[in-house]
Amino acid sequence: GAVVSQHPSRVICKSGTSVKIECRSLDFQATTMFWYRQFPKQSLMLMATSNEGSKATYEQGVEKDKFLINHASLTLSTLTVTSAHPEDSSFYICSARDMLDTIYFGEGSWLTVV
Amino acid sequence: DAKTTQPNSMESNEEEPVHLPCNHSTISGTDYIHWYRQLPSQGPEYVIHGLTSNVNNRMASLAIAEDRKSSTLILHRATLRDAAVYYCILKGGNEKLTFGTGTRLTIIP
Repeated sequence: GAVVSQHPSRVICKSGTSVKIECRSLDFQATTMFWYRQFPKQSLMLMATSNEGSKATYEQGVEKDKFLINHASLTLSTLTVTSAHPEDSSFYICSARDMLDTIYFGEGSWLTVV
Repeated sequence: DAKTTQPNSMESNEEEPVHLPCNHSTISGTDYIHWYRQLPSQGPEYVIHGLTSNVNNRMASLAIAEDRKSSTLILHRATLRDAAVYYCILKGGNEKLTFGTGTRLTIIP
């Protein structure tokens, strides 16, 4: 099946710094990618929808200046958490939609802000 | 978004079939029924999806009620590796996936 890869799988950063998470569709082109956040024992919460070559659409309550999303190519989207704080510590998951409208998810990235 | 209702948790014995129910009484005519599962500390994994007819693949079967107001994901022979949270999601074309709370499936050895 289609593969979506995230990097890094785990990252620890200091409070106040920025951290970037990459999401790649390895064997298909994805015009649309999605970014989710998941806190322990909770469901996935959609943060934003990213379309290649255009600005991301953020869900209500998600700060676009804090969570910068770039989707510069059909196989790569990046999420940058700026000025990270401990409350941003979470499991971040991306997904990508293929031409048949099937959505595949990455393995997720654990972010810990200390 | 049309809403789905699933039991919070279910248990099943290993090597027995598992039937995971999902109610979606407000489903629209263009909504597909998607099932994903999430193992601990991993991203969700696509399981199956359908519109009206029952669907089978190597992972599972999806039985859709004639009125489409409910569906059942069937794992024919559960293994310990099937322990996960299973999400039933309605999705129209080109729409995003919105996750509910899902059903936590526990497999008893």
